[in-house]
Amino acid sequence: QSALTQPASVSGSPGQAITISCTGTSTDVGGYNYVSWYQQHPDKAPKLIIFDVSNRPSGVSNRFSGSKSGNTASLTISGLQAEDEADYYCSSFTSSITVVFGGGTKVTVL
Amino acid sequence: QVTLRESGPALVKPTQTLTLTCTFSGFSLSTSGMSVTWIRQPPGKALEWLGRIDWEDNKYYSTSLKPRLTISKDTSKNQVVLTMTYMEPVDTATYYCARIFFTVTNHAFDSWGQGTLVTVSS
Repeated sequence: QSALTQPASVSGSPGQAITISCTGTSTDVGGYNYVSWYQQHPDKAPKLIIFDVSNRPSGVSNRFSGSKSGNTASLTISGLQAEDEADYYCSSFTSSITVVFGGGTKVTVL
Repeated sequence: QVTLRESGPALVKPTQTLTLTCTFSGFSLSTSGMSVTWIRQPPGKALEWLGRIDWEDNKYYSTSLKPRLTISKDTSKNQVVLTMTYMEPVDTATYYCARIFFTVTNHAFDSWGQGTLVTVSS
């Protein structure tokens, strides 16, 4: 199972909105609404911020939103803040009953 | 409050077998819909899913690592054990255990351990 494709880096100024893409295939992202997104700060464990494509766990800021079109899922961070600077990973359930992660995207707040 | 904690050796030699234990609290692995997953992350690299065990003792493994992996559980001790054979330097990584509660978040990992760094070196 190949990793999902994410841009290596995305940057934006405070207050702006940025979008991170996550591209897979019909056997993972395109085939199921089981895409999740994780935020990871340096030397910390990942934190779930989006599940089932567009759902936010309790306590996660509504500045984070998710969507999907075909084989590509997207995470949008609106009103970018300094604390949003981190690595972001997407993941998807696959037809092999496994999970595949993306390569990760480093978000820089300018 | 859900917590998970990984424990095991920080250093293993090439060809040795790695055994890691995930001790958790705040939930039971006998609850319908509950699962514990192992995930690893080499230094500076991306997350990699290794496998999971669920409340019915079903086990699923990474296709590429399946020959080397075994995941088991001790429900009474609230522990899940990962065994990985024939360790190589490329297996150097931080190993995480994480929970899935299917009835709430489907295939998402809603709680994670702090991770344990395992270095493979002679």
